[in-house]
Amino acid sequence: AQSVTQLDSQVPVFEEAPVELRCNYSSSVSVYLFWYVQYPNQGLQLLLKYLSGSTLVKGINGFEAEFNKSQTSFHLRKPSVHISDTAEYFCAVSALNAGNMLTFGGGTRLMVKP
Amino acid sequence: NAGVTQTPKFQVLKTGQSMTLQCAQDMNHEYMSWYRQDPGMGLRLIHYSVGAGITDQGEVPNGYNVSRSTTEDFPLRLLSAAPSQTSVYFCASSYKAGGFGDTQYFGPGTRLTVL
Repeated sequence: AQSVTQLDSQVPVFEEAPVELRCNYSSSVSVYLFWYVQYPNQGLQLLLKYLSGSTLVKGINGFEAEFNKSQTSFHLRKPSVHISDTAEYFCAVSALNAGNMLTFGGGTRLMVKP
Repeated sequence: NAGVTQTPKFQVLKTGQSMTLQCAQDMNHEYMSWYRQDPGMGLRLIHYSVGAGITDQGEVPNGYNVSRSTTEDFPLRLLSAAPSQTSVYFCASSYKAGGFGDTQYFGPGTRLTVL
């Protein structure tokens, strides 16, 4: 079984400042890693995912994440946030070659202030 | 493509009532699933399907039934609604069901309140 912990439930930040949203996971097998974003009153959409290869993954809207196997982390970063980045962000994992079931973290609400 | 569609968007039920949440996708995806979203708990998997005629339970299946008679549709049935089922429900689909890290596409959600 897998579990995902998002260490911050809310992250307030000023516009144009950098941000890091933290994600740690636990699993007895190898996993794929995902970050999804949920804008207010909408469904989730994929920001980026790590399947294999380079541990630095670039996604949409200027976000990137780094997979750290030794620390079992997959932190999401953006060098300069905009008001439009205000949303809830979910980290998720799925086990390799074992179905598409996603295990989600509890979510981090990013609040960008002018 | 409409993508993943869900109806209704909002629903209020009384305890003990039954209802069906509809989910459809027009992308010919093999895999479909239902999640519920509760504050601070992220999304939790209720049921999933790897193809027409094949369904299986997820993490929180109690009180819910599913069936998949076609590739496109994956309805979720609440048999006897309880206040604990008050939640936002999301349907999702992905192209292949083999566990290769396929992106899952989510519908807009159904907000259900059980009184």
